[in-house]
Amino acid sequence: GESVGLHLPTLSVQEGDNSIINCAYSNSASDYFIWYKQESGKGPQFIIDIRSNMDKRQGQRVTVLLNKTVKHLSLQIAATQPGDSAVYFCAEANTGNQFYFGTGTSLTVIP
Amino acid sequence: DTAVSQTPKYLVTQMGNDKSIKCEQNLGHDTMYWYKQDSKKFLKIMFSYNNKELIINETVPNRFSPKSPDKAHLNLHINSLELGDSAVYFCASSPRWGASEKLFFGSGTQLSVL
Repeated sequence: GESVGLHLPTLSVQEGDNSIINCAYSNSASDYFIWYKQESGKGPQFIIDIRSNMDKRQGQRVTVLLNKTVKHLSLQIAATQPGDSAVYFCAEANTGNQFYFGTGTSLTVIP
Repeated sequence: DTAVSQTPKYLVTQMGNDKSIKCEQNLGHDTMYWYKQDSKKFLKIMFSYNNKELIINETVPNRFSPKSPDKAHLNLHINSLELGDSAVYFCASSPRWGASEKLFFGSGTQLSVL
């Protein structure tokens, strides 16, 4: 199987600060990457995605950065809010829809 | 309207029993999946179906038998349940196979085998 890993299993940030969640992937052939947010008792929810022909993509308060040279992906959340507390997963895919997920980072926002 | 819905939400059963989990998507997607999430939150693909046909079976024991009566439904039947089957099972769908598009997940079925 694929290896998609995270540098930090847990992250605590103060409300209003920016959060950065990192992810390493191992398959250089992966061409599509997604970040998901999973709140307690719920299924993963799509946050943002990026294809391998890009190195940065921005959404509402979130930015994904892709560094293909070192096979690294990061999710930046601006002005983190209590509602951002959740487990965040990165996932990589190649040759279509075969997704492999990382182990997740638990983000806790301190009011 | 719930895009991907799965039932039941919780399932508690004894070892050796047989149980089923149902999944339906109303997004018009061609592709559906079952994922297993263990106690450490790791999500692992089990099966992928495209237009009712099995595409991926990730070396899942044959006690697990998925069935797709039509492309909007993907059910999972588990025979002879074991303690190690305890996990949260997620159904997901995506528009088309091979297009690298995001997955839409259901809310999960928490299976506890006693």
